[in-house]
Amino acid sequence: DQQVKQNSPSLSVQEGRISILNCDYTNSMFDYFLWYKKYPAEGPTFLISISSIKDKNEDGRFTVFLNKSAKHLSLHIVPSQPGDSAVYFCAASAPGYALNFGKGTSLLVTP
Amino acid sequence: DTGVSQNPRHKITKRGQNVTFRCDPISEHNRLYWYRQTLGQGPEFLTYFQNEAQLEKSRLLSDRFSAERPKGSFSTLEIQRTEQGDSAMYLCASSFLPPGQNIFSGNTIYFGEGSWLTVV
Repeated sequence: DQQVKQNSPSLSVQEGRISILNCDYTNSMFDYFLWYKKYPAEGPTFLISISSIKDKNEDGRFTVFLNKSAKHLSLHIVPSQPGDSAVYFCAASAPGYALNFGKGTSLLVTP
Repeated sequence: DTGVSQNPRHKITKRGQNVTFRCDPISEHNRLYWYRQTLGQGPEFLTYFQNEAQLEKSRLLSDRFSAERPKGSFSTLEIQRTEQGDSAMYLCASSFLPPGQNIFSGNTIYFGEGSWLTVV
């Protein structure tokens, strides 16, 4: 069963605007959440993470928000750039369990 | 380059042949992971090592798959009697987990560029 869900397979955003990628999870034991970015034919690259004791973590243009009560997290990219076009994976972990990935959201940033 | 290194990057093999992939983790990372990714899916966990010990294997890892990390440094993933359903990208990742920390939780893993397998 899919414990980490990214319900939007794709997203298109204009350059300079905000990109918001969403992720939902079902396992209440998850306590650490990560976002990875992946270009075609390459491995995923770590972007940003957040622990369950926080509700926000920011790194440059990237901010991750965590809503534990809703079991929802989101990645905001502001401002979006064409180089941000890639597939973004949400991942979650719990003690004793392997990192669990969603199916990804393909982001296209248009000039 | 001090990242996770995988080779070969691409492998085309005939059904029934054996293939082996190698992974060199980031120096001093004590944890090494193998994942598999197919089109339209996220990475799926296969197995992981803490130093040279293989601590967990996914049910996805059939008997035809074997992974080793003999000296706690590089790792190999061998697939015997390959089937067309084995065609995928095989991803290696590594991390450093301080002694005593809960396994996985709070641990960021870093991926290599992957090894593409095509079984024809």
